Amino acid sequence: SQQGEEDPQALSIQEGENATMNCSYKTSINNLQWYRQNSGRGLVHLILIRSNEREKHSGRLRVTLDTSKKSSSLLITASRAADTASYFCATVIHHGNQFYFGTGTSLTVIP
Amino acid sequence: EAGVTQSPTHLIKTRGQQATLRCSPISGHTSVYWYQQALGLGLQFLLWYDEGEERNRGNFPPRFSGRQFPNYSSELNVNALELEDSALYLCASSLIRGGETQYFGPGTRLLVL
Repeated sequence: SQQGEEDPQALSIQEGENATMNCSYKTSINNLQWYRQNSGRGLVHLILIRSNEREKHSGRLRVTLDTSKKSSSLLITASRAADTASYFCATVIHHGNQFYFGTGTSLTVIP
Repeated sequence: EAGVTQSPTHLIKTRGQQATLRCSPISGHTSVYWYQQALGLGLQFLLWYDEGEERNRGNFPPRFSGRQFPNYSSELNVNALELEDSALYLCASSLIRGGETQYFGPGTRLLVL
């Protein structure tokens, strides 16, 4: 299956600390995207990184992509309680428009 | 700009019944995607519609079907409901065909008793 796998499945940190979650996938991709889901609601798009990019920043978010290792990481710096959510990576393959979502990392930020 | 809307927010059905879920994409978006998220699991791709046609479907039985209307809104129909169909059903839309950002609605939570 192309579906990505996030690691870890769950992460608990103190407010102010950095949170890092990883995503691995299996086949060549067009781009990789990270989404956040709050408590069983819809997903919110965070950031998109294309296959020819290695790093991207957006506010407190930093995403890296290593296509040779077929992996990506999402770093949230200076975490806040409001960052508590599930984070999913989605891979988009070449020659298609299907998104493959991973199983998600559940992040808890303790105030 | 209004986001993706879904209705109803909650739906309770009994086994064997049919469920119809509705989705309105962001204005100007022509692609609509449906996903199933069972409790505690990731998103499973169900269906993709673009310009009124089904472009792709995930690994779900034929009793999961849908359609896209001329105004690009979409319906997901689930026939002969089974207990394991209980899940959050998410609809997303995108501006163009091609794997760019998907914008999600709040979901419809379906409970099958």
